[in-house]
Amino acid sequence: AQTVTQSQPEMSVQEAETVTLSCTYDTSESDYYLFWYKQPPSRQMILVIRQEAYKQQNATENRFSVNFQKAAKSFSLKISDSQLGDAAMYFCAYRLYNNNDMRFGAGTRLTVKP
Amino acid sequence: NAGVTQTPKFRVLKTGQSMTLLCAQDMNHEYMYWYRQDPGMGLRLIHYSVGEGTTAKGEVPDGYNVSRLKKQNFLLGLESAAPSQTSVYFCASTADRVGKTQYFGPGTRLLVL
Repeated sequence: AQTVTQSQPEMSVQEAETVTLSCTYDTSESDYYLFWYKQPPSRQMILVIRQEAYKQQNATENRFSVNFQKAAKSFSLKISDSQLGDAAMYFCAYRLYNNNDMRFGAGTRLTVKP
Repeated sequence: NAGVTQTPKFRVLKTGQSMTLLCAQDMNHEYMYWYRQDPGMGLRLIHYSVGEGTTAKGEVPDGYNVSRLKKQNFLLGLESAAPSQTSVYFCASTADRVGKTQYFGPGTRLLVL
């Protein structure tokens, strides 16, 4: 079974600074997707960034970027120039390319200090 | 464009009562999913559907039933609610099997006393 581990239950960052959230996963497959979702207090799950495992280039979306290390099964999220609106729970998720079962980590609560 | 909507937003049940949660999407997506989210845990897949008239079990299906009579709607039923089913329930949808992104609804908070 695929598992996703987020080892940091809570993280804190100063506004305008950079923070990195960690995620590791366990799989024997080679074709899969990795995701970071943001869940603000409204509970809405919002896609932050997505990475296809076959792509070596790390995905970026504005201030958000990932460090994808396939051999190490690591998928960290870097948030640059942190903003107060970035405060939320962040979930790392894994899904096989042709499977509907998405597995989530337990989440990291990010606090942004003004 | 409403995306994925869920009804109701919040509900309190007594043990043994039944209820149905409704998920609706207006994106013409084939695939729909029901998840539950418990404190300190990520989302876990309950059931999913790959098209109208189809359903399949996910990671934690026990105690739930689902139906997909119309493409745009995916219903989650609790026949006899238990306190262990107290959770936040999320519905999601994707365009097709290789749809990269799951679009989530706002969630339904369910409390079983």
